[in-house]
Amino acid sequence: AQSVTQLDSQVPVFEEAPVELRCNYSSSVSVYLFWYVQYPNQGLQLLLKYLSGSTLVESINGFEAEFNKSQTSFHLRKPSVHISDTAEYFCAVSAGTYKYIFGTGTRLKVLA
Amino acid sequence: KAGVTQTPRYLIKTRGQQVTLSCSPISGHRSVSWYQQTPGQGLQFLFEYFSETQRNKGNFPGRFSGRQFSNSRSEMNVSTLELGDSALYLCASSDDPRSGDTIYFGEGSWLTVV
Repeated sequence: AQSVTQLDSQVPVFEEAPVELRCNYSSSVSVYLFWYVQYPNQGLQLLLKYLSGSTLVESINGFEAEFNKSQTSFHLRKPSVHISDTAEYFCAVSAGTYKYIFGTGTRLKVLA
Repeated sequence: KAGVTQTPRYLIKTRGQQVTLSCSPISGHRSVSWYQQTPGQGLQFLFEYFSETQRNKGNFPGRFSGRQFSNSRSEMNVSTLELGDSALYLCASSDDPRSGDTIYFGEGSWLTVV
């Protein structure tokens, strides 16, 4: 069985500062990894995903995540955040089955 | 291409009643999944349907059920509602989640049980 741990429930950060949202997973088989973002009163939107190949994946809005197999981590980073990045971020894992396992989410609050 | 559409967006029910939520997937997607989202619990997998067949089910009581129609539209039903069923219910569609295909979420149905 797979599991996902998001260590931080809330992360406050000042605008234009860097941020890292942590995600660790547990699985005995190879997995696909995802980061989703949820803005208030909306559903989840895919931010980026790792399926195979290069361990560093990037999104179109400046986020990146690195798959680290030895540390079973898939941390999300952005070098300079904006107010508009305020949202809840979910890490998810799939082991090639019909369901995704989601973490409990990290609320990113960008302060002016 | 239209996104995943869920109806109704908001509803209030009384304990003991039942509720049916509807989901129209992205055109061409045959897989539909349902998740329950509550504060502090994150998203919990309810079930997944593909071509009208339930392929996987989460750890929810039998009061939670679903079905998928031939046009891939899906419904979920919760009978004998309890206060703890208050949550955001999210529907997601994809080509096939087994291969790492992106699952696309609807905006959800907010259910409040009083």
